[in-house]
Amino acid sequence: GAGVSQSPRYKVAKRGQDVALRCDPISGHVSLFWYQQALGQGPEFLTYFQNEAQLDKSGLPSDRFFAERPEGSVSTLKIQRTQQEDSAVYLCASTSGASSVSPLHFGNGTRLTVT
Amino acid sequence: AQTVTQSQPEMSVQEAETVTLSCTYDTSESDYYLFWYKQPPSRQMILVIRQEAYKQQNATENRFSVNFQKAAKSFSLKISDSQLGDAAMYFCAYRSSAISSGSARQLTFGSGTQLTVLP
Repeated sequence: GAGVSQSPRYKVAKRGQDVALRCDPISGHVSLFWYQQALGQGPEFLTYFQNEAQLDKSGLPSDRFFAERPEGSVSTLKIQRTQQEDSAVYLCASTSGASSVSPLHFGNGTRLTVT
Repeated sequence: AQTVTQSQPEMSVQEAETVTLSCTYDTSESDYYLFWYKQPPSRQMILVIRQEAYKQQNATENRFSVNFQKAAKSFSLKISDSQLGDAAMYFCAYRSSAISSGSARQLTFGSGTQLTVLP
């Protein structure tokens, strides 16, 4: 596709519900990142994939957060038993290479509101 | 761990004037990358400019330039001839160049500066 696509754009969940957020990276991009951006803050790293391998999940805040990228393209971030502190914008980014020099392309994010 | 600090939550500039956004960072690494990203209300992060730490020359991209002071760990963004379309949240970000590190590929962001451009 032309850019990184994320869906849904907005999601409202009741506390305790499970949610799944989708990221469709640019075709052929090897690396994929998820970030969490709380209101008025900068994005914070959650997890990183190189193809289908999850190489770094050190930023996931709890075991309620789970990410996968089974075929090395589309990725899903799942949050189980959502809590109010999970309310944030979730950004996905992809890049063509595995090195640090490749520029990141970000999606428009999913705004999650937990009520 | 690296940290990035943006001490100006909000800035404003008159259209056609120049504004400078500040950023400082803390790292023990000698080689790394620094970035400025722009985030308009659409929420998409757009790369404005990038600097490699091993390069002494300051990066420039049209109306955007940086003042990179490695010893002071300072990385400010200058926007010349400000335009209404420059209004957005601006984030400074750091990335290690150590590709052998599992966390090297992630960006560490500052808390952002909201830039308003006054007509």
